[in-house]
Amino acid sequence: NAGVTQTPKFRVLKTGQSMTLLCAQDMNHEYMYWYRQDPGMGLRLIHYSVGEGTTAKGEVPDGYNVSRLKKQNFLLGLESAAPSQTSVYFCASSYSREGGKQPQHFGDGTRLSIL
Amino acid sequence: LAKTTQPISMDSYEGQEVNITCSHNNIATNDYITWYQQFPSQGPRFIIQGYKTKVTNEVASLFIPADRKSSTLSLPRVSLSDTAVYYCLVGDAHYKLSFGAGTTVTVRA
Repeated sequence: NAGVTQTPKFRVLKTGQSMTLLCAQDMNHEYMYWYRQDPGMGLRLIHYSVGEGTTAKGEVPDGYNVSRLKKQNFLLGLESAAPSQTSVYFCASSYSREGGKQPQHFGDGTRLSIL
Repeated sequence: LAKTTQPISMDSYEGQEVNITCSHNNIATNDYITWYQQFPSQGPRFIIQGYKTKVTNEVASLFIPADRKSSTLSLPRVSLSDTAVYYCLVGDAHYKLSFGAGTTVTVRA
């Protein structure tokens, strides 16, 4: 049982390039989330999804797009990377029932550097 | 959205009990209190959750007073491997939760 798997684990981009981060979960969770974590700070929610085909904005959505075409996958896209998007990106998933009572399961992160 | 306040850092020694208190004065009726642990280069990991009174599992205990305006995570007999960042979250829906800076706990030999 892999849980939440993020690919790639590391990536270096040049300003203006685009890329997609992939998150896959094998727990049949309805909810999925993308966070970013900057040095010395907690995690900030970028976008989330409450089910296949649905997405919503979180706290810091600007510069990112997401898609949830399959229940098990949640993709985070950067159309035109900027140095301010250098960060560690975490994906998480959870069951939907009982709202905030269900714990989130996190991947090990993608370390992204924008030069 | 309930705002939480917790200490920036705490130091301890192996074998001691560590207590981290989180303040959440505007907690709502439907909010749960959840604690996560994060090691360097890893994603956060769920530790414990509670609504009121006391909850205990194999890792920690969570104490919540009757007014629920604060909560205390208790880590018994810590070891070096308990060195991590601990986050207190309050909310009734995951997309409303906010991870603050957390409390960095450093355990020394």
